[in-house]
Amino acid sequence: EVQLLETGGGLVQPGGSLSLSCAASGFTFSSYAMAWVRQAAGKGLEWVSSLNAGGDETYYADSVKGRFTISRDNSKNTMFLQMNSLRDEDTAIYYCGRHGSGSFTPDYWGQGSLVTVSS
Amino acid sequence: DIVMTQTPLSLSVTLGQPASISCRSSQSLVHSNGNTYLSWLQQRPGQPPRLLIYQISNRLSGVPDRFSGSGAGTDFTLKISRVEAEDVGVYYCTQATQFPWTFGQGTKVEIK
Repeated sequence: EVQLLETGGGLVQPGGSLSLSCAASGFTFSSYAMAWVRQAAGKGLEWVSSLNAGGDETYYADSVKGRFTISRDNSKNTMFLQMNSLRDEDTAIYYCGRHGSGSFTPDYWGQGSLVTVSS
Repeated sequence: DIVMTQTPLSLSVTLGQPASISCRSSQSLVHSNGNTYLSWLQQRPGQPPRLLIYQISNRLSGVPDRFSGSGAGTDFTLKISRVEAEDVGVYYCTQATQFPWTFGQGTKVEIK
C-alpha cells in the first residue's frame, strides 16, 4: 500500500525557517517524481514545488522561488522541503504527493502537515 | 501561467441525479508529447485531495464509473452520472502540462 507521511510542520515566526519531510513507503520511491502542494485554510490548492526521480531537476512556484528548497534522499525514501524567510502567506497545509505515471498530477497524497507563520 | 476557470463554483444536487462541472483553460493543454495533462481531483471535507481522472478521461483504479471526464484542447467536463452522499466535497480541475501546475478555483458539491 502506498503511503506518504508528512512531518515537521508547526508554528514559526515571520522570517523564520522550517523543514518538512515526506516519508514514502509501499512503492519504489527512487522511480517517481514527487511534489509539494499547499492549501491555505478555506482556500484552493496551490502547487509549490516538484522534483524528478533522481532529484537533480527541481521546479518551483514563483511565490516560493529563492526561499524554498526541495530535495530527496532516495536511500531513505524521503523527500524534504526546506522553507526559509517564511511569510504570513505561507501559512497552509502542505501536502506531499507522488507524480502519477500517466497524470503528473499526484496519484497519491499524504495527509498534510500544517505550517503556521505568525508572530 | 495557465489559468483554469471552473463553473459553477457550487452545485446542489439531489441524490441519484447527475451533476456536471466545467473547466476551461486559458491556453491549450496539449503537451509536446501529444498528451493532455488535465486531471480532476476530489477533496472530501477534512481530507487530502484524491485523484479521480487523469488525461481528460482516464479513471484512476478504484474510482467509481459514475465519474467520467471529457473534453479537448481548452474545454473539459467532469460528470457524475448519479450523485451519491459520499460525493460531497470540492472538485478541482488541474493542469500539469506545464509548470507551474495550476488549479481551478474548486466546485463545492452538496446534496440538496
